[in-house]
Amino acid sequence: GAGVSQSPSNKVTEKGKDVELRCDPISGHTALYWYRQSLGQGLEFLIYFQGNSAPDKSGLPSDRFSAERTGGSVSTLTIQRTQQEDSAVYLCAGGHGRGRTDTQYFGPGTRLTVL
Amino acid sequence: RKEVEQDPGPFNVPEGATVAFNCTYSNSASQSFFWYRQDCRKEPKLLMSVYSSGNEDGRFTAQLNRASQYISLLIRDSKLSDSATYLCVVIFYSSASKIIFGSGTRLSIRP
Repeated sequence: GAGVSQSPSNKVTEKGKDVELRCDPISGHTALYWYRQSLGQGLEFLIYFQGNSAPDKSGLPSDRFSAERTGGSVSTLTIQRTQQEDSAVYLCAGGHGRGRTDTQYFGPGTRLTVL
Repeated sequence: RKEVEQDPGPFNVPEGATVAFNCTYSNSASQSFFWYRQDCRKEPKLLMSVYSSGNEDGRFTAQLNRASQYISLLIRDSKLSDSATYLCVVIFYSSASKIIFGSGTRLSIRP
């Protein structure tokens, strides 16, 4: 398909385990964002990749969170030693850059539940 | 105070009504504004950008008031399919850009 894909769509894990979430952006989108959305809440910015520049990690809530983007395409968000408060929908979005007209195209999200 | 604030609603209006809601922002360095729509358990999708002169797309009108630091979304002749959460997005430009999403306004259109 031509849209942003994320996997898995749902992930249930036990507290303390590590999880990896994957995002496949639209081909050609140099910008990639990760957000999380807790139930009934707005989107919380996590991290931003733009081309080959150093990522903006200012939104990562703790050092248990990390993300990589390989080859300017696929990105993985890793959460180590998951906690119950990590339960949320993790959304990734792609675009052409953090410019004035940047439109973000979101994936369907990964619903993470930490038991 | 949050950098971007929205009335969470819910706004519950009859089909055919006109409804409007605002989003306020606190940073005067804000430069770009958008409205996104998010259906229940779905991802956000761009509804429209907000231009300084205001802009209209069918039944939807977006306005920007820089003096009072808010943007608005007006929906005329509302349809059942307009039921969703509307997120405002503000991009601040300074030494590093920041994209801030509001927490959303929930709109429910009743028959």
